[in-house]
Amino acid sequence: DAGVTQSPTHLIKTRGQQVTLRCSPKSGHDTVSWYQQALGQGPQFIFQYYEEEERQRGNFPDRFSGHQFPNYSSELNVNALLLGDSALYLCASSARDRASYEQYFGPGTRLTVT
Amino acid sequence: GESVGLHLPTLSVQEGDNSIINCAYSNSASDYFIWYKQESGKGPQFIIDIRSNMDKRQGQRVTVLLNKTVKHLSLQIAATQPGDSAVYFCAENRGQAGTALIFGKGTTLSVSS
Repeated sequence: DAGVTQSPTHLIKTRGQQVTLRCSPKSGHDTVSWYQQALGQGPQFIFQYYEEEERQRGNFPDRFSGHQFPNYSSELNVNALLLGDSALYLCASSARDRASYEQYFGPGTRLTVT
Repeated sequence: GESVGLHLPTLSVQEGDNSIINCAYSNSASDYFIWYKQESGKGPQFIIDIRSNMDKRQGQRVTVLLNKTVKHLSLQIAATQPGDSAVYFCAENRGQAGTALIFGKGTTLSVSS
C-alpha cells in the first residue's frame, strides 16, 4: 500500500515563472492538504481539497492555487514565483469521509527559486 | 497570530535516557493534537495523537500528555535511541476532523551514543 507520493522531488525555477507540483494521496484517502515549510520552520497550511473543491485556505495569496482530480490526486500551482517561495512543499492526505483526524504526509517537493 | 509553539529549539540526550519534548498551545478551542517526527529530507511522520477529552495516551516507547488547564502538551520518549534523532513538531487541529493543522516551530532532538 503506497503512502502519499509527490513529484517532482526537487525543482529549480526562476523568479516570475510558474510551477506545478503533484500529489497522490494514500490509498483510501479522499482529502488532500498542502503545506509550505520554510527552512527551520514548521509547516504552514496553504489549502485543502475535498470532492474536487477547495474547502479551507490558509493565509496565502491568490498566486497559490490548486486542483483535485476525480481520483483524489491533487496539484499545487504557484504563479509569478518569488524568491520567498523557496521552500519544501508538503502534501498530506486524510480520510474526511470517515471523520478521521489523522493526516499523512508525503516526502515533499523542494522548490528553489533563483 | 495564534500558533502552537515549543519551549526549546534543541534537546540533546544520551542513548538510553528518557526524552521529554514540550509544547505550548494558545487556542483553548483546539480539540486534537498530534506529534510528528521529521527526519532530514523527509516529510513529517505521525508519531502519536491525543484528543482534548483525554490527558494521557501511550504508544510504543512514546507517551503524550495533555494539560488543558495550562494549555501544555508534552511528548515523552522512553529509552531514546540514535534513530530518534530528528525534529519534532506538535500540531493542533481546531476544527472539523481532517482540517488544517497548525504547527509549531519544532524541537531538534539529538541523541548521542
